[in-house]
Amino acid sequence: ETGVTQTPRHLVMGMTNKKSLKCEQHLGHNAMYWYKQSAKKPLELMFVYSLEERVENNSVPSRFSPECPNSSHLFLHLHTLQPEDSALYLCASSQGGLADSYEQYFGPGTRLTVT
Amino acid sequence: GENVEQHPSTLSVQEGDSAVIKCTYSDSASNYFPWYKQELGKGPQLIIDIRSNVGEKKDQRIAVTLNKTAKHFSLHITETQPEDSAVYFCAASYGFQKLVFGTGTRLLVSP
Repeated sequence: ETGVTQTPRHLVMGMTNKKSLKCEQHLGHNAMYWYKQSAKKPLELMFVYSLEERVENNSVPSRFSPECPNSSHLFLHLHTLQPEDSALYLCASSQGGLADSYEQYFGPGTRLTVT
Repeated sequence: GENVEQHPSTLSVQEGDSAVIKCTYSDSASNYFPWYKQELGKGPQLIIDIRSNVGEKKDQRIAVTLNKTAKHFSLHITETQPEDSAVYFCAASYGFQKLVFGTGTRLLVSP
């Protein structure tokens, strides 16, 4: 295990639902990331939090709303999603903070299906 | 913008053979190059990385080489085993604490 956990592991939701994905890291890191992984595409960076502040929003639609209440937890709130949002959503963490460190450790992902 | 190209997209080898996966990056400021292995139903796992001040790094059966002039880096797996079968991703650093990933190589090692 990498020290990064994600729940739920699988989620099926309708386009009008609201749900949240949760990520927790046990590595003492200060930076956390959300990625989207779709078939035959590179991992797409969605959001970056460093020291609990959002430092990157990679042109992600507003139907995805991140939240980082502390350095160990990261949430992705979902509402009125589209079928093309179906994908594997991965959380990662790195040392972050003031150190320009790049080693990222990933959780197992949440497989999201939008019906 | 930042981009990483990865080849091949699929690679089939016999057990015991070597496998090589190649990546090319676009940002000359990139200085950190990790490789990840992703097995079915799991997240990507960091298996080896290299920084720009080093040309080669080895860890048992896996090695990574970096050519900064050509902006190429490669993953080499020797004496492949069936458990090496997975999808492998290369990545390059850009900006502050960010990585851009290649599209992945599906490696199949046949017994």
